[in-house]
Amino acid sequence: NAGVTQTPKFQVLKTGQSMTLQCAQDMNHEYMSWYRQDPGMGLRLIHYSVGAGITDQGEVPNGYNVSRSTTEDFPLRLLSAAPSQTSVYFCASSYQLRDSKGYTFGSGTRLTVV
Amino acid sequence: EDKVVQSPLSLVVHEGDTVTLNCSYEVTNFRSLLWYKQEKKAPTFLFMLTSSGIEKKSGRLSSILDKKELFSILNITATQTGDSAIYLCAVEEESGGSNYKLTFGKGTLLTVNP
Repeated sequence: NAGVTQTPKFQVLKTGQSMTLQCAQDMNHEYMSWYRQDPGMGLRLIHYSVGAGITDQGEVPNGYNVSRSTTEDFPLRLLSAAPSQTSVYFCASSYQLRDSKGYTFGSGTRLTVV
Repeated sequence: EDKVVQSPLSLVVHEGDTVTLNCSYEVTNFRSLLWYKQEKKAPTFLFMLTSSGIEKKSGRLSSILDKKELFSILNITATQTGDSAIYLCAVEEESGGSNYKLTFGKGTLLTVNP
């Protein structure tokens, strides 16, 4: 049981490049989400999904796309990276029905855009 | 305007001290409030609170929710250097249909000195 797996752990991009951050969970969680964490800003919600085929925007969605074709995977796409997207990205998942275990986070992806 | 406000933003104490971390929130369709501890990597789950006045306890940590006054506190007694971390408060709210989302505060950076 791997939990929430994020890849890659580190990435450096040039401005304008595209890439996909991967997130996979093996706990059959309906709910998955992406956050970015910047110094002094806490975690800010980018996009989230309550099930396969359903996605919605969070607090800071601009510059990011998501899709949810399976329950297990929730990739985050940067179509044209900008220096403002330099951040640490976390994927989190949970059961849709209230679960006392809360949300499970992946170990994060540290992205630098130069 | 921030929906989840934590205070203080940082705190330095000595081992053995007791600390109280605060979290106030303002959301429309409250579902639950969660506390997380973040050291160098991903946030780890501490507590989920859904009902007012019921204390959740785990070792030296405890937390309680006041849904009337819209706040929660996290207490840590007999602090140890291993308690040094960022403590994150998050509020889960219904966002229409079966959607829900988790909004984080900026966190409290706790430093426990020997």
